[in-house]
Amino acid sequence: EVQLVQSGAEVKKPGESLRISCKGSGYNFANYWISWVRQMPGKGLEWMGRIDPTDSYTKYNPSFQGHVTISADKSISTAFLQWSSLKASDTAMYYCAIEEKYTSGYPEFWGQGTLVTVSS
Amino acid sequence: DIQMTQSPSSLSASVGDRVTITCRASQGISDYLAWFQQKPGKAPKSLIFAASRLHSGVPSRFSGSGSGTDFTLTISSLQAEDFATYYCQQYNTYPITFGQGTRLEIK
Repeated sequence: EVQLVQSGAEVKKPGESLRISCKGSGYNFANYWISWVRQMPGKGLEWMGRIDPTDSYTKYNPSFQGHVTISADKSISTAFLQWSSLKASDTAMYYCAIEEKYTSGYPEFWGQGTLVTVSS
Repeated sequence: DIQMTQSPSSLSASVGDRVTITCRASQGISDYLAWFQQKPGKAPKSLIFAASRLHSGVPSRFSGSGSGTDFTLTISSLQAEDFATYYCQQYNTYPITFGQGTRLEIK
């Protein structure tokens, strides 16, 4: 069974740093990209970027590039989304999703989401 | 960026109804189009990929069609568990983009 298990909810202050995680199991980690998707409160889905965990090649949405960092550690089948300086506008639910590289390419499975709240 | 425009933005329907949601891309995306269902407080679930292919385990009452710029998601006979928000997504061109969502409510 494919599972993507994300780290728990976080409450942070503006300016603080944060790293959230997404651990995959039940599939060949090397054959899938991992994408991160943001959903602000009451809003739609926004693709932030994706990583190939085999070589850490990363593609960002220009709207998010420079504000977040996507990384992965294939030895523990885990991807990360990181901020060095959070803003209140980063308050959102963040989802990871996996996309098969060689055939389908679409987000087949999703993590349960990590709620990030940034407030002073 | 490719803009994905869904219509309608919201829709009221009854159990047993046939429902169609449309998604238009601002430029051609071949058939690199996926549909997702999201219920309140839950992660999205994949329904359809490659415009018309059902994700594993998705009921056959869901179907998709289209190519190029115009796509549709059809639910042939609404069930109670289908009331949710639906999103289309193009994965042909970076950045990957989603439609704004269609909220399907019980009439």
